[in-house]
Amino acid sequence: GENVEQHPSTLSVQEGDSAVIKCTYSDSASNYFPWYKQELGKRPQLIIDIRSNVGEKKDQRIAVTLNKTAKHFSLHITETQPEDSAVYFCAASLYSGAGSYQLTFGKGTKLSVIP
Amino acid sequence: DARVTQTPRHKVTEMGQEVTMRCQPILGHNTVFWYRQTMMQGLELLAYFRNRAPLDDSGMPKDRFSAEMPDATLATLKIQPSEPRDSAVYFCASASHREYEQYFGPGTRLTVT
Repeated sequence: GENVEQHPSTLSVQEGDSAVIKCTYSDSASNYFPWYKQELGKRPQLIIDIRSNVGEKKDQRIAVTLNKTAKHFSLHITETQPEDSAVYFCAASLYSGAGSYQLTFGKGTKLSVIP
Repeated sequence: DARVTQTPRHKVTEMGQEVTMRCQPILGHNTVFWYRQTMMQGLELLAYFRNRAPLDDSGMPKDRFSAEMPDATLATLKIQPSEPRDSAVYFCASASHREYEQYFGPGTRLTVT
C-alpha cells in the first residue's frame, strides 16, 4: 500500500518568513496530492491540492510543487502570518472516474509562526 | 454550504460499553470514509464505502469494530466492546465521483475510561 513520509514534524518561523514542508510517497499510481490544515480541535480542511498531470500550483501565499519522477511534493507558504499556525498534513490518493480512494496521510507538521 | 455532519461530537464511556458514531455525508456524494486520528498514529483509514457498498475495511479491528451504511444519508461506526486504546477522534469524510476533494466532518472525540 501507499506510504507517505512528511518532514519536518515541527517548524517555527518568524512572521513574514517562508515555510516549506516536504513529503514523499511510495505508490507511483497515486495521482492526487492534497494538503490539509488542521487547527486545534477542528476538522482537517483542504487548503490546496495538486494532480499528477501538473507540476506546480499557486493560490495566493500558498504553492505546491510535485515531482512525479522522484515521488515527492512540497508545500510552500510565503509571508507567513500568525493565523498560519496549525498542523499541516500532506496526503496521497488515487482518483478514478468512479470516485476517490482513501487518503494516506503524512504524520503532520506543526507550524508555529512567531509574531 | 453543504457539510458533513457527525454525531455525537463528544462521547465518554466506560470500557466494555458499546459506542455508535453516526455520519451524514453531503447529499449526492457516493463515497464515505471513516478515519481515526490519534497522537501516535496520526490520521489513518478505518473503512470506506462507495455507493453504500464496503470497499475496504482492512484498517479496522474486525473483532470489535463494524461499519455500515444503511442508506445513502447515514453511515455508522460501531465499537463493541470499547477499550481505552480506542480513545481517539473519529472523522467521517465524503466525496463525489465528480470531484477529487474529500470533505471532512467535525469529528467525534471518543474517550474510553
